[in-house]
Order: sequence, then C-alpha cells, then structure tokens
Amino acid sequence: GDSVTQMEGPVTLSEEAFLTINCTYTATGYPSLFWYVQYPGEGLQLLLKATKADDKGSNKGFEATYRKETTSFHLEKGSVQVSDSAVYFCALSRGGSEKLVFGKGTKLTVNP
Amino acid sequence: DTGVSQNPRHKITKRGQNVTFRCDPISEHNRLYWYRQTLGQGPEFLTYFQNEAQLEKSRLLSDRFSAERPKGSFSTLEIQRTEQGDSAMYLCASQGASSETQYFGPGTRLLVL
Repeated sequence: GDSVTQMEGPVTLSEEAFLTINCTYTATGYPSLFWYVQYPGEGLQLLLKATKADDKGSNKGFEATYRKETTSFHLEKGSVQVSDSAVYFCALSRGGSEKLVFGKGTKLTVNP
Repeated sequence: DTGVSQNPRHKITKRGQNVTFRCDPISEHNRLYWYRQTLGQGPEFLTYFQNEAQLEKSRLLSDRFSAERPKGSFSTLEIQRTEQGDSAMYLCASQGASSETQYFGPGTRLLVL
C-alpha cells in the first residue's frame, strides 16, 4: 500500500540555520504530495503542496519539489525562525478526493 | 468561513463507556474525513464521506466505531464499549468539491481510563 517515510526527529536548530526535512514516498501512479504543519496546541495546517512531477510548492519561505525519479518531496527553508518550531508532516493522496497518507512527523525546535 | 470545528475538545471516559464526537465542516464542503492520531505518529485515515454517503472505511475502523453524516453537513463519530487502546486524538477534515486541500479541525482528544 501507499506509504510515506519521513526523517526521524526531533530536529533542533539555531535561528537562521538552513532546514531540510527528508520525505520519500511509495505509491502507484502519480500522487499529490503535501506538507502539513502542527504548531503547539493547534490543528494541522497545510503548508504547501505539489500535484505533479517537478512542481515546486512554496509558502512562508518553505519549499519542496516533487521528484518522481527519487520519489521524494523534501522540505527546505533557508533561514528558520523560532516561530517555525512545530511538527511537520509529509503526506500524499492519490487524487482529489482521496484520503491522505501521512508520515510519522518530524518535530522541529528552533532556538534563539 | 469559520473553519472546521470539533466538539468536545477533550473527553475522558471509563473503559466500556460509549462516546460520541461531532465535527462541523467548512460550509459547502461536500467531503468530510475522520482520522486518528496517536502520540508520536501521523494521522491515520478512518473514514470518508461525500455528502451523506460514507464512501470508504479503513480496516482500523472496528465494528465498535460508527460514523454518520445524516444531512451531508455535520458528522458524528461514535465509539462503543471504549477500550484503553482507543485513547488518541480524533481529527476531522473537510474538503471542497473543486479542491485538493483538506482543512483540519483542532481535534478531540480522547482518554480512556
């Protein structure tokens, strides 16, 4: 079945450091790929998405590129802030009305 | 657009009791999903409605679990004869007909003692 594998956490960085959170997937066909973020005490929020190969999703300084050849969707940010501290989830869906399949999440802590 | 709401936000119950959770989706979103999230894990799909029709159920959804969406608007998730293993965060998400994005509610945290 479909699955998502995320980099194990937790990840601790200093403010302004570069962030990469690795995500790879297993799925048949061409899934859509997502990054969701869960801030402390809040619900899941969509951070960015990409629906086809080579698409780049971006939001709030975060970017991820859909790489079909490596079945990856790594999340990057050039300069993290304390306010980016959260749990990040990579997810996929097979189509517009399909369920999301999530990775286990990666907790990010950014220290001042 | 007030977002997805869930009630209650927290529920503590004793093993063997029945519990019911409610989800109010974003208005006019015809798709509604239920997920379960345990500590340190990502959300896992439970079931999905399109309007009032329940179109898919995960094998995680034992016969003690039942979900309804009677008028195609709000949905309820009932767990009968709760077990300690049911302790988790139950998440609801809704999605519009022409969108690929699911919008999540804040969740209901269940603790079974």
